Amino acid sequence: GAGVSQSPRYKVTKRGQDVTLRCDPISSHATLYWYQQALGQGPEFLTYFNYEAQPDKSGLPSDRFSAERPEGSISTLTIQRTEQRDSAMYRCASSAGLAGGLNTGELFFGEGSRLTVL
Amino acid sequence: SQQGEEDPQALSIQEGENATMNCSYKTSINNLQWYRQNSGRGLVHLILIRSNEREKHSGRLRVTLDTSKKSSSLLITASRAADTASYFCASPNNQGGKLIFGQGTELSVKP
Repeated sequence: GAGVSQSPRYKVTKRGQDVTLRCDPISSHATLYWYQQALGQGPEFLTYFNYEAQPDKSGLPSDRFSAERPEGSISTLTIQRTEQRDSAMYRCASSAGLAGGLNTGELFFGEGSRLTVL
Repeated sequence: SQQGEEDPQALSIQEGENATMNCSYKTSINNLQWYRQNSGRGLVHLILIRSNEREKHSGRLRVTLDTSKKSSSLLITASRAADTASYFCASPNNQGGKLIFGQGTELSVKP
């Protein structure tokens, strides 16, 4: 696609429910990132993929969070048993080159998915 | 943990003035990037400077990098009201893949 697309743009859920957020990166982009951003703060790294490989998921806050990119293109971020503290903007970004070493380059961000857990 | 820390946290200037924002980072890097975010929108890449570069220009933007001090600065010259946004620096971690953002500088340019 022309840009990074995220859905849903807004999600309101009740505590304890599972939520899945979707990211459709720029086609042919090798690397895909997930970030969590609280209001007034910088994006906090969650995880990234080089195609379908997931070299780093150190930023996932707990085992309730998981991400997939099974075919190396579209990715999903799933939060199980949501808690109020999970309320945030979740941002996806993609990059043309493979991340790592000298190759971590410009990221293209989507508009984000705002999650509210009641 | 944040790799980059921006300073100041907030900056308010008049249109036409220059705005300078600073970023400090902790570990060795191969590049440092600056992004802009308008009012809760997605982040937009502004400029990337590599560790072997000391200065880079793009239009009204000038970025410097001092690897000995582990710091970078972003200068916006002749600011406009449309430059009002949050500005973030970001750099890869030691392994290079994880791009880590600072907390940002909130710039307000008054017409």
